[in-house]
Amino acid sequence: QVQLVESGGGVVQPGRSLRLSCAASGFTFSSYAMHWVRQAPGKGLEWVAFTSYDGKKTFYSDSVKGRFTISRDNSKNTLYLQVTSLRGEDTAAYYCARDVGFTGPLYMDVWGKGTTVSVSS
Amino acid sequence: SYVLTQPPSVSVAPGQTAMISCGGSNIGSQSVHWLQQKPGQAPVLVVHDDTDRPSGIPERLSGSKSGNTATLTINRVEAGDEADYFCQVWDTIGDHVVFGGGTKLTVL
Repeated sequence: QVQLVESGGGVVQPGRSLRLSCAASGFTFSSYAMHWVRQAPGKGLEWVAFTSYDGKKTFYSDSVKGRFTISRDNSKNTLYLQVTSLRGEDTAAYYCARDVGFTGPLYMDVWGKGTTVSVSS
Repeated sequence: SYVLTQPPSVSVAPGQTAMISCGGSNIGSQSVHWLQQKPGQAPVLVVHDDTDRPSGIPERLSGSKSGNTATLTINRVEAGDEADYFCQVWDTIGDHVVFGGGTKLTVL
């Protein structure tokens, strides 16, 4: 079945870095655009980043632009989010989500269960 | 930046109808999507492109749009519908995905 599984979260000190991964299965990963979306504890959903099917087009939220990098390896069916210069406000559950679009965003039809990042000294 | 406004909470008795609004300027020209998130779970898409339901979503859930407001309607509300609901659009001006603040649906 179609599945997205995130990993790589953990407790990290402010200013440090992490790489989050999202393993896709059950569908042709290379044919779909992908997103990262996060949710701080007790808060709503916040979009983080988008990549087209081939990784050539990316968009970022203003709050992470310049600190986070979205990328993908279609040969490994895996989406990544490199997060750097972490701040307390980056503490959240991070979800990857599939977009039915090919090159541009349409809507997110499949979501993973998330991986949690906690930024604390 | 583009803003979507939702009521923080909506309460309804079982069997009644719940209506959750999502307001935004010029929303009439945008495709609005709705997500349901139950406690401790990942979001689930329940309506896309204003009115379309993915397979497996009950017909009791429906989307509509009028003027500057999109609405998610849940007919014959059940205890299992208790969740947070988020509307979402793609802001083509800023190249950003925008979520509404979310509405907590409580079934009395």
